[in-house]
Amino acid sequence: NAGVTQTPKFRILKIGQSMTLQCTQDMNHNYMYWYRQDPGMGLKLIYYSVGAGITDKGEVPNGYNVSRSTTEDFPLRLELAAPSQTSVYFCATGRDSNEQFFGPGTRLTVL
Amino acid sequence: GENVEQHPSTLSVQEGDSAVIKCTYSDSASNYFPWYKQELGKRPQLIIDIRSNVGEKKDQRIAVTLNKTAKHFSLHITETQPEDSAVYFCAAPRGANDYKLSFGAGTTVTVRA
Repeated sequence: NAGVTQTPKFRILKIGQSMTLQCTQDMNHNYMYWYRQDPGMGLKLIYYSVGAGITDKGEVPNGYNVSRSTTEDFPLRLELAAPSQTSVYFCATGRDSNEQFFGPGTRLTVL
Repeated sequence: GENVEQHPSTLSVQEGDSAVIKCTYSDSASNYFPWYKQELGKRPQLIIDIRSNVGEKKDQRIAVTLNKTAKHFSLHITETQPEDSAVYFCAAPRGANDYKLSFGAGTTVTVRA
C-alpha cells in the first residue's frame, strides 16, 4: 500500500518547456487535489477533482491543466513553463470531504 | 471564500516549555479544522483535527481548542521536544461541507535544547 506517490521528485525546466507531474494513489479515494507551496508560504490550491471525469479550478489555476480519467491518477500539466511556476507541488487525496493525505511532493525549478 | 490567518509566523521555545499557535477564520459555516506538521523537505502530515461540535480535543502532548463564537482555533503543544521543530499549518474548509481547504501561511516552530 504505497498511499500517494508523485513523480518526478525533482525537475529543472527551461522557460517555455512543458511537462506533466504525475500523482497516483492506491487508497481508492474519490477526492484529489493539486497544491503549490512557495517558500515560506502556505499551500495554494491549483485544481481538484471529486471523482473520475470531474475536475475544477482552485485558487491559482492559470498556466496549469489536469485530467482525471481514473480514480487512481491525477496528472498536472504545465504547458509553457514560466519562472513564476518554480515551486514545490503536492498532490493530496481525501476519502471524504475533509481529511487530506499528501504525497511526497515534486520540486520544480524553471530557469 | 474562507480566509485563514495564522499567528505567529515564527515561534522559538525552550525545550520542555509549551507552544501555542492561533488561527482565525472568516466563514462562520466552517465546521472542520485540521492542523498539519511539515518537517523540512517533507510532506505536510495531519497531526490533529477538530470538528465544530466539540470545543477541545487532545492527543498526548498536542491539543486543539475551538472558539466558534470568536472564529478562532489554537494548537497547543506541551512539554516541547526537539522533534517538535517544524512548520505547522492550520486549515479550514471554504464553507460548510466544502471539501476544499484554505491553509494558513504557517508557523515555524523551533525548540531550543
